[in-house]
Amino acid sequence: GAVVSQHPSWVICKSGTSVKIECRSLDFQATTMFWYRQFPKQSLMLMATSNEGSKATYEQGVEKDKFLINHASLTLSTLTVTSAHPEDSSFYICSARNSGNEQFFGPGTRLTVL
Amino acid sequence: EDKVVQSPLSLVVHEGDTVTLNCSYEVTNFRSLLWYKQEKKAPTFLFMLTSSGIEKKSGRLSSILDKKELFSILNITATQTGDSAIYLCAVRSGAGGTSYGKLTFGQGTILTVHP
Repeated sequence: GAVVSQHPSWVICKSGTSVKIECRSLDFQATTMFWYRQFPKQSLMLMATSNEGSKATYEQGVEKDKFLINHASLTLSTLTVTSAHPEDSSFYICSARNSGNEQFFGPGTRLTVL
Repeated sequence: EDKVVQSPLSLVVHEGDTVTLNCSYEVTNFRSLLWYKQEKKAPTFLFMLTSSGIEKKSGRLSSILDKKELFSILNITATQTGDSAIYLCAVRSGAGGTSYGKLTFGQGTILTVHP
């Protein structure tokens, strides 16, 4: 089956630093990838839709300059949290869509900002 | 704004019980409704429903969609402790054609099954 990986699984950083999270589709090409965040005991909130070779589409209320998304290839999208603050601490999950319009989720990255 | 609401928010049962989880939605250009099970990490896919009245079944889990009343239910019979998880309902909406549309999640139902 289709596999989506994320790296790192868990990251702890100091306030003010930037953190990059990678999302890879391991055995299929994904023209579209999605980035979600999830707070404890809450649902997944779509942050942005990432299309290969073009600018990401951000959901209302998500700062594009703070959450930089790059989808440089058909198997890799990155989310960079710039100047991270404690309120950015969350569980970030990516998903990738294959040619059959099926969506597969990565295992998530837990970000803790001190 | 698209909205997906799940109920109950939390449910505690004993092994062997049957549970019914609810998902109602208000979206523009409905395309499909999906159920996911989330344990410690990312959600895993359970069902995708596009047509009213057709039950999807997988083992002890089943689900059905009512597009007239805009809701879906997920049933789990003979629950086991391994069923303990957050169950997420999501609705895909948006224009058709080559557009993928948008996936909106409900807040989830936390199911706890005690031995």
